[in-house]
Amino acid sequence: GAGVSQSPSNKVTEKGKDVELRCDPISGHTALYWYRQRLGQGLEFLIYFQGNSAPDKSGLPSDRFSAERTGESVSTLTIQRTQQEDSAVYLCASSLGQGAGETQYFGPGTRLLVL
Amino acid sequence: AQRVTQPEKLLSVFKGAPVELKCNYSYSGSPELFWYVQYSRQRLQLLLRHISRESIKGFTADLNKGETSFHLKKPFAQEEDSAMYYCAPNAGGTSYGKLTFGQGTILTVHP
Repeated sequence: GAGVSQSPSNKVTEKGKDVELRCDPISGHTALYWYRQRLGQGLEFLIYFQGNSAPDKSGLPSDRFSAERTGESVSTLTIQRTQQEDSAVYLCASSLGQGAGETQYFGPGTRLLVL
Repeated sequence: AQRVTQPEKLLSVFKGAPVELKCNYSYSGSPELFWYVQYSRQRLQLLLRHISRESIKGFTADLNKGETSFHLKKPFAQEEDSAMYYCAPNAGGTSYGKLTFGQGTILTVHP
């Protein structure tokens, strides 16, 4: 079946613009995660969704970052007034259940470059 | 603070040689432990997880609670094992999959 998909695959934007990144999880997966990987660094947790609720937003770096999930499916990560330090690969993952031992299935990522 | 360390950024071995990728973690509670792998031009995927006590593609990982380590090992490396490997403990104390990734180790297996 189809895996996790993300769009766009690449995004170049100017500093100060808003961007929206989309994630389509595997159908039926209740948990959804966003991570970020800046150049030369490991992946950082951003936010976790269980259904359409986000019980853990602790990784969002600033109030310029927000995310939502609708229909227990698609999720959108929005970055307002982008800054150059927002340049990174943004990864989405989903898992069937919410447990700590669940396998997470990753999308291909969106590579964001802020000029 | 919760932290995971992969001390080797790059690791090179020859085909057939043993390989060990190190991972040390510092966490409160008892985290679930995973190794994820990213092969060239592929997406990040699960290699193995401690809870399953499994061996995948010849790799095993032993949890040493005393040393807080979860090193990944394979007795005879193959060229197709060349990839980026991430140790990823689930944040201890959470009931969901909040993974914290190490910086990764790039493994290159030479013919």
